[in-house]
Amino acid sequence: ETGVTQTPRHLVMGMTNKKSLKCEQHLGHNAMYWYKQSAKKPLELMFVYSLEERVENNSVPSRFSPECPNSSHLFLHLHTLQPEDSALYLCASSQDAGLAGQETQYFGPGTRLLVL
Amino acid sequence: QQPVQSPQAVILREGEDAVINCSSSKALYSVHWYRQKHGEAPVFLMILLKGGEQKGHEKISASFNEKKQQSSLYLTASQLSYSGTYFCGTDIVVKAAGNKLTFGGGTRVLVKP
Repeated sequence: ETGVTQTPRHLVMGMTNKKSLKCEQHLGHNAMYWYKQSAKKPLELMFVYSLEERVENNSVPSRFSPECPNSSHLFLHLHTLQPEDSALYLCASSQDAGLAGQETQYFGPGTRLLVL
Repeated sequence: QQPVQSPQAVILREGEDAVINCSSSKALYSVHWYRQKHGEAPVFLMILLKGGEQKGHEKISASFNEKKQQSSLYLTASQLSYSGTYFCGTDIVVKAAGNKLTFGGGTRVLVKP
């Protein structure tokens, strides 16, 4: 247990569905992240939120829409996904302690998504 | 540009040593090492900052060669629990918060009895 939880753990959806992934961190951190992990590919950073503001959007298609209502919660809203979007979606959080570049990111267990 | 990890996979007998390298084409500010076991979240091992600092975590240590833009992870006297995929994440930008890590492709390590 890293203090970062994700729900659901598994999700199967059709290309026309709308679903949301939820991440919650219990560590008091002020930065949260979404990553995509596909088979045989490196971890890809999708979005970064710092103090509830999006500070990074790594050219992610608009069918992925993040939301960070507060520092403890992060959502990834999904709509009209493609089969190639099937992957493990990982959430992470970190704490800015004024030591740039030294933040440890703590990962959740991920949501395994299958798009049919 | 993602860092390049080598080797892609390594098989060890318990008690043997291994080295995993992480190389970047860009100047690095920090390197973060993680281990991920199958079906689990990546777990943080250590951060190295530019300056050639060496760190350790149990019998796992790492070095950071700023000039070569490379970090190496050393698995010493490997244990069965060391099995998993090791990722390096590199950061080239100094930010106040929300560091942007670019991860390598991972190195699969299997330690056999």
